[in-house]
Amino acid sequence: AQKITQTQPGMFVQEKEAVTLDCTYDTSDPSYGLFWYKQPSSGEMIFLIYQGSYDQQNATEGRYSLNFQKARKSANLVISASQLGDSAMYFCAMRIRDSGYALNFGKGTSLLVTP
Amino acid sequence: GAGVSQSPSNKVTEKGKDVELRCDPISGHTALYWYRQSLGQGLEFLIYFQGNSAPDKSGLPSDRFSAERTGGSVSTLTIQRTQQEDSAVYLCASSSLSWAGELFFGEGSRLTVL
Repeated sequence: AQKITQTQPGMFVQEKEAVTLDCTYDTSDPSYGLFWYKQPSSGEMIFLIYQGSYDQQNATEGRYSLNFQKARKSANLVISASQLGDSAMYFCAMRIRDSGYALNFGKGTSLLVTP
Repeated sequence: GAGVSQSPSNKVTEKGKDVELRCDPISGHTALYWYRQSLGQGLEFLIYFQGNSAPDKSGLPSDRFSAERTGGSVSTLTIQRTQQEDSAVYLCASSSLSWAGELFFGEGSRLTVL
């Protein structure tokens, strides 16, 4: 069975600093995709970034980058130059080939950006 | 439509009643997903559809829960004989059948069972 683990229930970061949100996963399937979503207090789910298991380079999208360490089965999200609007819940999710297109989510990390 | 549409946005019901939650996905999206999110918790996978068929029903919590999708479009999640523990936000999402295709979520249906 696949499993996504986010060990940090809550994180604080000061505005303009960088922050890393941890995500580890467990699967025996060699084909998988990893996603990060942001959920502000408004409740909407916002897609941030994707990394495929065969991708050679770490994914980047603007201020978001994914620190993909395949051997360690980790896919940490790095947010550079934090902004107050980054305060939200962040969810890591995984899709594995054998399970079709379903995404399984971790329990999330709550990030608070302080002035 | 432009995005995933869910209705109702809020539903309050009495224990034991049946409820239906509706999801209208993004036009052209073949895959449709239902998740449940309890207060302050993560997303619990319920079911997903490829077209009108559901390859994976493993997440449905009990036989009181069922879902269908017709015409490769609208989906309905039905909860029979609701219980208080069913209270949650039910999120619907859709995606293309691209491996890297992200899920686009609706705003959710908040269900409160009294």
